[in-house]
Amino acid sequence: AQSVTQPDIHITVSEGASLELRCNYSYGATPYLFWYVQSPGQGLQLLLKYFSGDTLVQGIKGFEAEFKRSQSSFNLRKPSVHWSDAAEYFCAVGAHAGKSTFGDGTTLTVKP
Amino acid sequence: DAGVIQSPRHEVTEMGQEVTLRCKLISGHNSLFWYRQTMMRGLELLIYFNNNVPIDDSGMPEDRFSAKMPNASFSTLKIQPSEPRDSAVYFCASSSPGQGPTEAFFGQGTRLTVV
Repeated sequence: AQSVTQPDIHITVSEGASLELRCNYSYGATPYLFWYVQSPGQGLQLLLKYFSGDTLVQGIKGFEAEFKRSQSSFNLRKPSVHWSDAAEYFCAVGAHAGKSTFGDGTTLTVKP
Repeated sequence: DAGVIQSPRHEVTEMGQEVTLRCKLISGHNSLFWYRQTMMRGLELLIYFNNNVPIDDSGMPEDRFSAKMPNASFSTLKIQPSEPRDSAVYFCASSSPGQGPTEAFFGQGTRLTVV
């Protein structure tokens, strides 16, 4: 069975600081991995996805993620956080973007 | 394109009443997913359709829930009778045909409150 663990329920960073959100997965085959962002009262928006190839994936809004097979991880990073990045972030694994197993999410708070 | 459109955005109903949630897919998309989001259980996939055919409904909680795709661009999720534990945000998402991990586009959700 596939599963996703996001160890951090809540993270607070200062505006301008770097960010890393952790994601560990369990999947029986080569995983398709996704990061989504959800702003309050909104649906989920895809930030980036990993399918194959280069293990460092660039996404929208300045985010990137690195796939590490040996660690079963797909951590999301951003070098400099903006106040507008405050939201909930979900990591997901599955064979299809829609039919995926989602982690429980990490809520990001950005301090001025 | 306006994206995935869900209606209503908010629904408050009394226990025992029938509730119908609606979703309009993005034009050209052929896969449709219904999710439920709660604090306790996070995001759960309820059912998904491909080309109007239900492929996997293993996430549907019980017989009180039913979903249909009467045509290629529209879907409904019905709860009859509704119960307070059904209170959640219900999302639908659609995606286009393609190889590999095609992106799923989510609607803004329907917040259902059953009192």
